[in-house]
Amino acid sequence: EAGVAQSPRYKIIEKRQSVAFWCNPISGHATLYWYQQILGQGPKLLIQFQNNGVVDDSQLPKDRFSAERLKGVDSTLKIQPAKLEDSAVYLCASSLLAVGTDTQYFGPGTRLTVL
Amino acid sequence: QKEVEQDPGPLSVPEGAIVSLNCTYSNSAFQYFMWYRQYSRKGPELLMYTYSSGNKEDGRFTAQVDKSSKYISLFIRDSQPSDSATYLCAMKPGGYNKLIFGAGTRLAVHP
Repeated sequence: EAGVAQSPRYKIIEKRQSVAFWCNPISGHATLYWYQQILGQGPKLLIQFQNNGVVDDSQLPKDRFSAERLKGVDSTLKIQPAKLEDSAVYLCASSLLAVGTDTQYFGPGTRLTVL
Repeated sequence: QKEVEQDPGPLSVPEGAIVSLNCTYSNSAFQYFMWYRQYSRKGPELLMYTYSSGNKEDGRFTAQVDKSSKYISLFIRDSQPSDSATYLCAMKPGGYNKLIFGAGTRLAVHP
């Protein structure tokens, strides 16, 4: 079974620039998550999709972050404009369902550095 | 106060040692408890999953949950250099899949 794919793996931009990350979940997984992991911290959920609908985006800074999941499969996360404090690893995860004992599988992440 | 507290370490032990990793939490609604392992520059991978108080064993790993004290632990027996990683505890309320992670504990097992 192929895992969660993410690209790019690394990105360096200057503040106020825009950046986009891509995620391809495990085939058949209805639920997709984007997490932000700042150095020395655990992952923090930014947004959760169930198919192509948003379930939870309460911690997404909506003035600069946006995400979409077209056709309920791939997803993109965009930051515009980027700030220094956005430097982090952005992790995508997917799961079959959204409740109970369902397991989330993580991709390798995209490491963003904002200069 | 954070919902989940975890000592970031780092923790350095010799090969073969028993390792104890711990987390405390404040939200009594948490019902599902997980331990993830994260190697450097990789995504977290699920190690152990439990939803009841008591112990759960899987090979060299034992997960322990004490809901009355809001305290969970992961024990690693006969630790190996390949166990060197960051260990993240995570938990969630029943009926919803939003995970709340601890900060992670960095573990180094030296030969």
